[in-house]
Amino acid sequence: DIQMTQSPSSLSASVGDRVTITCRASQRISTYLNWYQQKPGKAPKLLIYDASSLQSGVPSRFSGSGSGTDFTLTISSLQPEDFATYYCQQSYSSPYTFGQGTTLEI
Amino acid sequence: QVQLVESGGGLVKPGGSLRLSCAASGFTLSDHYISWIRQAPGKGLEWVSYISSSGSIIHYADSVKGRFTISRDNAKNSVYLQLDSLTTEDTAVYYCAKLLNRFDPWGQGTQVIVSS
Repeated sequence: DIQMTQSPSSLSASVGDRVTITCRASQRISTYLNWYQQKPGKAPKLLIYDASSLQSGVPSRFSGSGSGTDFTLTISSLQPEDFATYYCQQSYSSPYTFGQGTTLEI
Repeated sequence: QVQLVESGGGLVKPGGSLRLSCAASGFTLSDHYISWIRQAPGKGLEWVSYISSSGSIIHYADSVKGRFTISRDNAKNSVYLQLDSLTTEDTAVYYCAKLLNRFDPWGQGTQVIVSS
């Protein structure tokens, strides 16, 4: 199975900050990497697919990059509604594993 | 509006069974792979299973293989997850999601609690 490791596990930031979350795969996965945002009590929401493609309706302050084993999610200027937990997920091969999550806190 | 709605969760004793349903609206479920993903209380996301559009391709996570069964009824625009031999480790919110190299959209989830 492909292991996905996110860092950091939690992050304190302020409105307006630029934030980067990293995700590392245990083997090469090309660009088969997706990012999700989850708020408490809600279902996850797709933000970025195929490592760098912005899902329709997602603000442009979110961006993704990377290929192979190392990936990043960047939020260029944090907004109050961005405080949530973020997960990466590989779709290279089954089982489709998720990272452990990064909680973004004020 | 593309939407998925789960149902069937509840409280069940260890060793018991439940059948979860995932219904679609706003799109034709039969055209798509559908997956189940779960989230234990306070924990991260765990992929559970997926089924192809025709039902001919099915995969399970090792943690549920032999205990859970995914199926679909395209005539009813629904996908099901039969949960058998439940343990307390299966307590979670269960989500269904459309799968096309990514999970989108997701349903709102249905809670399964396994407790004596």
